[in-house]
Amino acid sequence: DAGITQSPRHKVTETGTPVTLRCHQTENHRYMYWYRQDPGHGLRLIHYSYGVKDTDKGEVSDGYSVSRSKTEDFLLTLESATSSQTSVYFCAISESGGGLNNEQFFGPGTRLTVL
Amino acid sequence: AQKVTQAQTEISVVEKEDVTLDCVYETRDTTYYLFWYKQPPSGELVFLIRRNSFDEQNEISGRYSWNFQKSTSSFNFTITASQVVDSAVYFCALSEAMDTGRRALTFGSGTRLQVQP
Repeated sequence: DAGITQSPRHKVTETGTPVTLRCHQTENHRYMYWYRQDPGHGLRLIHYSYGVKDTDKGEVSDGYSVSRSKTEDFLLTLESATSSQTSVYFCAISESGGGLNNEQFFGPGTRLTVL
Repeated sequence: AQKVTQAQTEISVVEKEDVTLDCVYETRDTTYYLFWYKQPPSGELVFLIRRNSFDEQNEISGRYSWNFQKSTSSFNFTITASQVVDSAVYFCALSEAMDTGRRALTFGSGTRLQVQP
């Protein structure tokens, strides 16, 4: 199994508070991704990283920011949490963005509830 | 824009039945990759298979088989002799080669498979 951990695994917070989710990998993979999973939508890309300090937006990036200061860590921040951000958040890693070895491996997920 | 459609929201079968999960995709790219993931009740996402667009050979892995047909833009997944442990949500996903830099996955909405004993 790919070495991917997410913390916290569960979090309940209140509207308007900042929240940071952490993804940590031990595989030294270049690509890292944050997705959110909501009923009826599958998983949707929030942000991704293609290297240290190299990040970009996905389809549902509004209200989220990310940072990657080390290869192994990718942080997702909700600056001011809203109820619409209640979701399950998955981190994924990939050795290669395209061609061989481009399958993504996922962390265990973080269930976030914003009251 | 790329899109993945899994029209079957939920399927219920009895153990030992065969079941096929449908996946239809849309892409403008000529080189792309298709994936299936399994999400059991415990919630993790498990990678099952990747298929390249230039390789239309069907694949079999134990009780699992995949039928890739470019002519119909489909990548269907069949479980033979289903078991209770196959109960899960199954996701089909697509990645385009021309989506350089990002190479993210576009997921279908998933099919929930319930296998009754």
